[in-house]
Amino acid sequence: GAVVSQHPSRVICKSGTSVKIECRSLDFQATTMFWYRQFPKQSLMLMATSNEGSKATYEQGVEKDKFLINHASLTLSTLTVTSAHPEDSSFYICSASTGSTEAFFGQGTRLTVV
Amino acid sequence: AQRVTQPEKLLSVFKGAPVELKCNYSYSGSPELFWYVQYSRQRLQLLLRHISRESIKGFTADLNKGETSFHLKKPFAQEEDSAMYYCALRAYGGATNKLIFGTGTLLAVQP
Repeated sequence: GAVVSQHPSRVICKSGTSVKIECRSLDFQATTMFWYRQFPKQSLMLMATSNEGSKATYEQGVEKDKFLINHASLTLSTLTVTSAHPEDSSFYICSASTGSTEAFFGQGTRLTVV
Repeated sequence: AQRVTQPEKLLSVFKGAPVELKCNYSYSGSPELFWYVQYSRQRLQLLLRHISRESIKGFTADLNKGETSFHLKKPFAQEEDSAMYYCALRAYGGATNKLIFGTGTLLAVQP
């Protein structure tokens, strides 16, 4: 099946700094990428949907200035957590889709803000 | 509003027993529904989708538009079925589409 690679898998950063997470579709072109946040023992919360070459569509309650999403190419999307705070610590997951087909998931990134 | 509801956080059954993981949805358009599974320490992966009407690893799910349900079933559970199961709805709107997940059900199959 199609492979989605997320990097880094774990990151620890200091409060106030910014962190970038990359999501790559390795063997297919992803017209749409989704970014999710998962709290411990809870479901995936959709943060935003991004289509290649256009601005991301954020879900209600998600700060677009806090979570910057860039989908510059058909194989790469990035999520930047700006001025991170401890409450931003979470598991972030991306998934990629060619549109109407199934979505393929990355392995997730564990962000810890200290 | 678009919503996926999985009422059970945990379902524990014995090996060989039938399994039914419940999923209900709310969506004004024509629904496209999926079941995703996450085994321990692995990434989320697609188990099955309603449009395929297929059986994967012995699991089946039938879309019931009247009851707005898409329950996942397996007649005889195996220990290797133990995992987190998520029901998901693909919602279309304008130029984008999004995949909305339920809260998930942890299936524990006891020996």
